[in-house]
Order: sequence, then C-alpha cells, then structure tokens
Amino acid sequence: KAGVTQTPRYLIKTRGQQVTLSCSPISGHRSVSWYQQTPGQGLQFLFEYFSETQRNKGNFPGRFSGRQFSNSRSEMNVSTLELGDSALYLCASRANVGSSTDTQYFGPGTRLTVL
Amino acid sequence: DQQVKQNSPSLSVQEGRISILNCDYTNSMFDYFLWYKKYPAEGPTFLISISSIKDKNEDGRFTVFLNKSAKHLSLHIVPSQPGDSAVYFCAAEANTNAGKSTFGDGTTLTVKP
Repeated sequence: KAGVTQTPRYLIKTRGQQVTLSCSPISGHRSVSWYQQTPGQGLQFLFEYFSETQRNKGNFPGRFSGRQFSNSRSEMNVSTLELGDSALYLCASRANVGSSTDTQYFGPGTRLTVL
Repeated sequence: DQQVKQNSPSLSVQEGRISILNCDYTNSMFDYFLWYKKYPAEGPTFLISISSIKDKNEDGRFTVFLNKSAKHLSLHIVPSQPGDSAVYFCAAEANTNAGKSTFGDGTTLTVKP
C-alpha cells in the first residue's frame, strides 16, 4: 500500500497570502489529522476529519481551516499568512476513529516558509 | 500549559548501551501513550505504545514503562544502535477523544559508534 502523501513538499509564501495544503491518506483510511511542527517544538494538533466531518479541533485561530472529501483526501487552508505560520505541516491517517490503538501513519509533511 | 513534556532535548549514548528517554504528562484523562521516531525530512513513525492498564510493554529492543501515579513514562532501547539516532516524540491520547494526540517537544537521540 502507498503511504500517506502530502503535496506540495515545500512552499514559500509571503505575509498576507493564503495557502492550501493537500493530503492523501492510505487507501482505505477514513480519518485524517493535521499537525503543525515549528522548530524545537513538538507537534501541535490542528484538527481531525472523519467522513467529511471535523471531529476534533486544536487551539488554533480561525485562519486555519480544513476539509475532507468523499474519497477521504483532505486539504487544509491557512489564510492571511503570518511569519509565525512558518512550520512543517504534517498529515496523519488512521483506518477508523474511536480507538487510540488504531495506529496513526504520518506523511512526510509540507514545509511552509512565510517571508 | 504543556500537557506532555520531554525535559531532555537531547541524549547521547554509546552503541550497545541502553538509551532511556523520559516523558511526563499532567492530564489525568490520558489513558494511551505512544512513542514515535522521526528522521529528518520524514514524518514520525509509530514505534511502540502502552495502555494505562499496563505498566510495561515490550517490542524487541524497545520497552516502554508507565508509572501512572507519577504520570511518567519512559522508553528504553537496548542495545542502542547508530540507526536509532533520530528525534523521539512521546504522545498521549484520551480514549474518550481518540484521534487527538498531544505530543511532547521531542528528544534527539544520538547513538555513537
């Protein structure tokens, strides 16, 4: 099976712009989560989607949004970019929801740089 | 308020010796704990996990210990190998909210040949 894929892998934007990142989960996986990792920081949970519905949301401003399509692919959008949004954005997929024992598989991430 | 903490940003050990990575948590609702390994330019990879009903889980060279009363867990790698050099993240979940993982800041492990 192919792993979790994320596009693009690298992105450079300027302040005030918006950006859309894409994530394709492992085939058959229905849950997609997004995380932000900044230098020297752990992964901060952004949100989780299952069956096109947002199940969980982290403590990020409304400029961060996401959606999931019927094929389980997910996108996240950041509007009005700020310098502090420069980070590695990681997507993870799980087969289902409701159980922590369901292994979470991560993609390689999208490195976003805001100038 | 950081609910999962890894107080050692880095750890260096000699090949063949034991590596011990530590993690503390504050949220009593957490009942499932995981360790991930991350190489540069790759996403984290699941390594080993433990449920709060256990105090030890072993998988080959990797063992995770959980001390619920102290809200502390540790990952032991024995023997350590140069290929184990990576960033290790501790994460926690509450089964009532499975899918929302809370991560520590990571510990960079360097295993010297």
